[in-house]
Amino acid sequence: DTGVSQNPRHKITKRGQNVTFRCDPISEHNRLYWYRQTLGQGPEFLTYFQNEAQLEKSRLLSDRFSAERPKGSFSTLEIQRTEQGDSAMYLCASSSGTGSGEQFFGPGTRLTVL
Amino acid sequence: AQSVSQHNHHVILSEAASLELGCNYSYGGTVNLFWYVQYPGQHLQLLLKYFSGDPLVKGIKGFEAEFIKSKFSFNLRKPSVQWSDTAEYFCAVNGGSQGNLIFGKGTKLSVKP
Repeated sequence: DTGVSQNPRHKITKRGQNVTFRCDPISEHNRLYWYRQTLGQGPEFLTYFQNEAQLEKSRLLSDRFSAERPKGSFSTLEIQRTEQGDSAMYLCASSSGTGSGEQFFGPGTRLTVL
Repeated sequence: AQSVSQHNHHVILSEAASLELGCNYSYGGTVNLFWYVQYPGQHLQLLLKYFSGDPLVKGIKGFEAEFIKSKFSFNLRKPSVQWSDTAEYFCAVNGGSQGNLIFGKGTKLSVKP
């Protein structure tokens, strides 16, 4: 399968714990995006990488959130000291950054904070 | 700031009925427009996109959308829906150089067999 993959698919954690999610983009894509989706809403942009550089962060991304993309390949999103309001689906997308710039989405990681 | 409005939260149709889902966006510059679909249990998939040229764009599975610049609209249409079209549909826009998408809240479509 050459699509975008995300792990884990589901994560249940207790409030105050740290969690980390991983995204593996389509291999030739240099752009990688993180979005968050809550019930009844469309995905909301969190942050964007071009290769290994994090070029844009939404104000939704509080200080408890950090994202990395070492070597411009996979990316991780870490949430420290989770809160119940962090419960959501976290989506990763990648694109080639040329031409249409179509973004291909992964299946998401569903986070539940108890 | 960019924003996207989808007029209908939930649409229920019978098979063979025609579909039109509304989408309006707010942005002053050149935009790229998208419709994504999320079938039950599956991830977001691109239905169609508009970048430039013919404002009537055709996508997969018989869907089409018309970009009307004067109305800031990009409505999705299908002449005859099938039960398999049951899904959630999201309109999205990007106008920034970084390409991040701004999504509407989505419209859930239920097609009765």
